[in-house]
Amino acid sequence: TQLLEQSPQFLSIQEGENLTVYCNSSSVFSSLQWYRQEPGEGPVLLVTVVTGGEVKKLKRLTFQFGDARKDSSLHITAAQPGDTGLYLCAGPFAGGTSYGKLTFGQGTILTVHP
Amino acid sequence: NAGVTQTPKFQVLKTGQSMTLQCAQDMNHNSMYWYRQDPGMGLRLIYYSASEGTTDKGEVPNGYNVSRLNKREFSLRLESAAPSQTSVYFCASSEWGAHTGDEQYFGPGTRLTVT
Repeated sequence: TQLLEQSPQFLSIQEGENLTVYCNSSSVFSSLQWYRQEPGEGPVLLVTVVTGGEVKKLKRLTFQFGDARKDSSLHITAAQPGDTGLYLCAGPFAGGTSYGKLTFGQGTILTVHP
Repeated sequence: NAGVTQTPKFQVLKTGQSMTLQCAQDMNHNSMYWYRQDPGMGLRLIYYSASEGTTDKGEVPNGYNVSRLNKREFSLRLESAAPSQTSVYFCASSEWGAHTGDEQYFGPGTRLTVT
């Protein structure tokens, strides 16, 4: 079973602080995705990383895929209240009868206080 | 262009009752998914359909059945609801399967309570 472990599970910070969320696995993934979910809505894709060591930036958000493709991180610089939400990492199962399916980490609930 | 739509948005069932959750997408996607979301457990895949006419079990299929009615529609049925099935259910679609790294588009969810 391919598992994705996210940490921390909860993060409560003040506006302007920096933070990092981690997504770790003992398995190699061909790609990893990060989704953001707001209360009462479905998740929305932020980014997909596919190459080991890859770094992608989305405004104040920086995503990194580990060299061995077993882990990823999301770093937010100068967090704003609008960043509040549930952040989920996800990756595809590898082969066999699991081909084509996605597994999710348990999520990180981020609260940014004004 | 509505994306992924789900009905109903809220539902309360008594133990043993049955119901069908409806999902439709208008993006001409091949793959569709049903997930459940429980506190602290992220999203767990219930069933997956790679294309019209095919379905496959996910991580937590027990107590559920699905039908890929056509390319647009993918329904989830609870034959005999149990309190353990209280959850938020999300339908999603993608152009191809997750192995391609395709973005999954999610519906707004159905909040189900089983008493």
